[in-house]
Amino acid sequence: DVKVTQSSRYLVKRTGEKVFLECVQDMDHENMFWYRQDPGLGLRLIYFSYDVKMKEKGDIPEGYSVSREKKERFSLILESASTNQTSMYLCASSFRGQARTGELFFGEGSRLTVL
Amino acid sequence: DAKTTQPTSMDCAEGRAANLPCNHSTISGNEYVYWYRQIHSQGPQYIIHGLKNNETNEMASLIITEDRKSSTLILPHATLRDTAVYYCIVKNQAGTALIFGKGTTLSVSS
Repeated sequence: DVKVTQSSRYLVKRTGEKVFLECVQDMDHENMFWYRQDPGLGLRLIYFSYDVKMKEKGDIPEGYSVSREKKERFSLILESASTNQTSMYLCASSFRGQARTGELFFGEGSRLTVL
Repeated sequence: DAKTTQPTSMDCAEGRAANLPCNHSTISGNEYVYWYRQIHSQGPQYIIHGLKNNETNEMASLIITEDRKSSTLILPHATLRDTAVYYCIVKNQAGTALIFGKGTTLSVSS
């Protein structure tokens, strides 16, 4: 089975702290994604990556950066956490091939609270 | 990518078929229809996808109309564990990322 593992299920951070959210997948997927999910707003795409060292902005990249140094790992970085970044963060991965690129496998999510 | 329209919520009795509709009237010829569901407090789960033909797997069936402007996800024998938010997404293969809408909240009751 495909496994997408997010490093922390729950985090509590203070305003201004630097936050790292880590995601690892074990299926040799080329594509990796970071979404956030908030009540009433649904899932929104932050960043995605289709290859090592490649990244593309999603719909809401402001306040975030990403790093993909290895194929299996995609990190989301909050340089200076703010309270409006309190959210559930979801990582996903998929193959790049035709018809499979939309078949995403999601992790269990990381619930971040910024105080 | 084309937009989709889904009902906000639906109810279904346990053991009955759940038919979840999705309108995608602006779909173009190279766009696939994907369905996902999200059970409370979990990440979304891929269910099925199709291009033109109807598709079936162990989870569900996907019926796409001949003009491809709408589709229906069918859960043949709904159980309480099928209570979830179901997302219908249209995407072409050139774009890489899926954009999720609000979905349909399906409530299965005994």
